[in-house]
Amino acid sequence: EDQVTQSPEALRLQEGESSSLNCSYTVSGLRGLFWYRQDPGKGPEFLFTLYSAGEEKEKERLKATLTKKESFLHITAPKPEDSATYLCAVQAFSSNTGKLIFGQGTTLQVKP
Amino acid sequence: EAGVAQSPRYKIIEKRQSVAFWCNPISGHATLYWYQQILGQGPKLLIQFQNNGVVDDSQLPKDRFSAERLKGVDSTLKIQPAKLEDSAVYLCASSLLGANEKLFFGSGTQLSVL
Repeated sequence: EDQVTQSPEALRLQEGESSSLNCSYTVSGLRGLFWYRQDPGKGPEFLFTLYSAGEEKEKERLKATLTKKESFLHITAPKPEDSATYLCAVQAFSSNTGKLIFGQGTTLQVKP
Repeated sequence: EAGVAQSPRYKIIEKRQSVAFWCNPISGHATLYWYQQILGQGPKLLIQFQNNGVVDDSQLPKDRFSAERLKGVDSTLKIQPAKLEDSAVYLCASSLLGANEKLFFGSGTQLSVL
């Protein structure tokens, strides 16, 4: 069964304190791994898609990396506005429909 | 460009009542998804439409949930009768085609079943 597990569930950082979020996945052939950001009361907002091990993508203070078993979202010198829940999702080759299987998310709080 | 529109924003009902949610996807997007997000969990796919046809409803509780997408644009998700465990945020998303593409989500409908 395809599965996604994120850790930690919650993370508190001081402004400027860099850290990483983990997404471990089990999937029968990875078509793509997606990272989304979700603010309270809003729907998830797309950040990155990674397709193969070794791939990296960056956007402002965020950098996503991918291995054969997990993905990391590195946050460098975070600011309070980076506070949100970060969701990881996988899409399997067995799915021709674009179905995403989500992890439970990591809630990040960045204090000034 | 306009995003995915959903209504209502909030809904409070008693168990055994019925409720309906509406979604208008981004113009031109062929694929429409309904996800259920229970507090503290990630979204779970309920049903996926490609144009006006269903391509995945394997996790839809068909004894109480139904959905339709008439004319391949707007969609409605209905719950009848509602149970306490249906309390969740119902998210609608759309994508241009489907596989390999990012999803655009609406803000969701927060349902409380009392």
